[in-house]
Amino acid sequence: AQKVTQAQTEISVVEKEDVTLDCVYETRDTTYYLFWYKQPPSGELVFLIRRNSFDEQNEISGRYSWNFQKSTSSFNFTITASQVVDSAVYFCALSGHNNDMRFGAGTRLTVKP
Amino acid sequence: NAGVTQTPKFQVLKTGQSMTLQCAQDMNHEYMSWYRQDPGMGLRLIHYSVGAGITDQGEVPNGYNVSRSTTEDFPLRLLSAAPSQTSVYFCASSLTSGRPTDTQYFGPGTRLTVL
Repeated sequence: AQKVTQAQTEISVVEKEDVTLDCVYETRDTTYYLFWYKQPPSGELVFLIRRNSFDEQNEISGRYSWNFQKSTSSFNFTITASQVVDSAVYFCALSGHNNDMRFGAGTRLTVKP
Repeated sequence: NAGVTQTPKFQVLKTGQSMTLQCAQDMNHEYMSWYRQDPGMGLRLIHYSVGAGITDQGEVPNGYNVSRSTTEDFPLRLLSAAPSQTSVYFCASSLTSGRPTDTQYFGPGTRLTVL
């Protein structure tokens, strides 16, 4: 069975701090995708990144970076120099062999000015 | 392109009523899906479709029906609404229906309350 665990329910930081959101996944598939989505207070779901299971190269996009480690089944997300606009719920998700995308419960990030 | 659209944005039903949540996409995406989001939980897959005429069940299909008569539309029907179906419903689509599922793009959501 596929499962995604986001152990951090809520995180609160002060603006300009760095913050890492953890994501641990379980799957028996050898081919899978991992995703991060952002859900701001307005409620929509915004796609942030997709990572193929065969590509463990870390990725950086502006203040965002992702660390994919198959050895620990983790796909962690770091925001550098956080801003108030980063306040949102962040979801990690896993898609495997059966067209079934599984989401973690989400981490609510609050960035205080 | 409008992307993924959902109607209505808000709906209140009484227990036992039926209704259809509408979802449409104008990106010629093969794959469409419905999720529900409950407080403190991530999104859970209700039903999905890999193309017109093909649908399948997700993680929590009970109490819901779907059909996919066209590539663009994927309505979700609540047969007899129950308070346990109070939730926010998201429709999503992706270009391909490969396994694993390609990047999904989400509609704005429908907030449903069942009294």
